[in-house]
Amino acid sequence: DSGVTQTPKHLITATGQRVTLRCSPRSGDLSVYWYQQSLDQGLQFLIQYYNGEERAKGNILERFSAQQFPDLHSELNLSSLELGDSALYFCASSVDEGQPQHFGDGTRLSIL
Amino acid sequence: DAKTTQPTSMDCAEGRAANLPCNHSTISGNEYVYWYRQIHSQGPQYIIHGLKNNETNEMASLIITEDRKSSTLILPHATLRDTAVYYCIVRVGRTSSWGKLQFGAGTQVVVTP
Repeated sequence: DSGVTQTPKHLITATGQRVTLRCSPRSGDLSVYWYQQSLDQGLQFLIQYYNGEERAKGNILERFSAQQFPDLHSELNLSSLELGDSALYFCASSVDEGQPQHFGDGTRLSIL
Repeated sequence: DAKTTQPTSMDCAEGRAANLPCNHSTISGNEYVYWYRQIHSQGPQYIIHGLKNNETNEMASLIITEDRKSSTLILPHATLRDTAVYYCIVRVGRTSSWGKLQFGAGTQVVVTP
């Protein structure tokens, strides 16, 4: 158990819909990261927050957004969903930006 | 970040040491070598990291060559639960982008009885 909690574990929805994925970091971790893993793209970094502030962006689509709240949990919002958004979405956290990241078990998103 | 090259797959007998190579010939002086593994669709698990010295923890040992152009992850006594994809990642030091990890295809390690 990494200490990082992601909810829900599974999500099934339709194209055009909007979903919110939630991540609770390990106690004491200030940095949160989001990654997407699809069959054809592998693990891709999406975005990072540190103590509520956006720190780095990767291959995140404009339809996607994220935020980190004062209690340090984070949410990833995916809108106007397309079939290609079906993937595993992982959240990771670390004490600070330079420390090893610890990953949650992911949310499996299926778009029908 | 420097790119890494790993074998696509490796087999290892249970109880034997597994030696996983990684080439990172373009690594810079401030870049760290990280190893993670992912057991079938679970979240990646941090194993170990190092800058230039060899490192050991309860999971594995990391051997980095003197020129830092390659490294080897050693699982001393492989078990069936070590079957996973192992990722070698070179991560830049303290810059504005050092938060992200760039995962490649990794090495699929299969431990057999």
